[in-house]
Amino acid sequence: GAVVSQHPSRVICKSGTSVKIECRSLDFQATTMFWYRQFPKQSLMLMATSNEGSKATYEQGVEKDKFLINHASLTLSTLTVTSAHPEDSSFYICSAPGLLSYNEQFFGPGTRLTVL
Amino acid sequence: AQSVTQLDSQVPVFEEAPVELRCNYSSSVSVYLFWYVQYPNQGLQLLLKYLSGSTLVESINGFEAEFNKSQTSFHLRKPSVHISDTAEYFCAVSDGGSGGSNYKLTFGKGTLLTVNP
Repeated sequence: GAVVSQHPSRVICKSGTSVKIECRSLDFQATTMFWYRQFPKQSLMLMATSNEGSKATYEQGVEKDKFLINHASLTLSTLTVTSAHPEDSSFYICSAPGLLSYNEQFFGPGTRLTVL
Repeated sequence: AQSVTQLDSQVPVFEEAPVELRCNYSSSVSVYLFWYVQYPNQGLQLLLKYLSGSTLVESINGFEAEFNKSQTSFHLRKPSVHISDTAEYFCAVSDGGSGGSNYKLTFGKGTLLTVNP
């Protein structure tokens, strides 16, 4: 149980285009999901908290107009990187808290974004 | 505000040797502590956690960590490592939702454990 999937696993796009990344909780419902960004050989940095039925909460320094988050249902959150640039290339990981313990988060496998 | 410090960015060891990966945290409220492992190009997998109760927690693959409140530490140990333990290990802290943080995790910078034959 408590499996989180992400799609796509890898994506390469041209500069200026938009890319959508999906995060799904496969066997449980998640009213909250978290989006992280990880640069090579660095730690995970929380970008935003996705809330089902309401607006996402962004961390300081994260451009909400560039990183659009939509929590469409209790099992799906999407992150859209708009007008992507090479500096947006990174590993994006989502997570969702478990049902039994909100303190335990389950992570997706990540999406590697490369912007040319 | 919370922070996590992993003192060692890289730890090389030989197979079957013991290892300790250090983690210290700071927080103004009660904390919940986690160790996650990340293999190349993969997401994070929970290794073990401290939420409450016994301060010594163990994983199914031989790792253990001890919560030391006075030293604000949660060091990860294994008495005998295998080559398959080679991975990046992240220590993380959560305040359990107090102060309106919504259970978000704060991660350390990670420690790359490399087990050599």
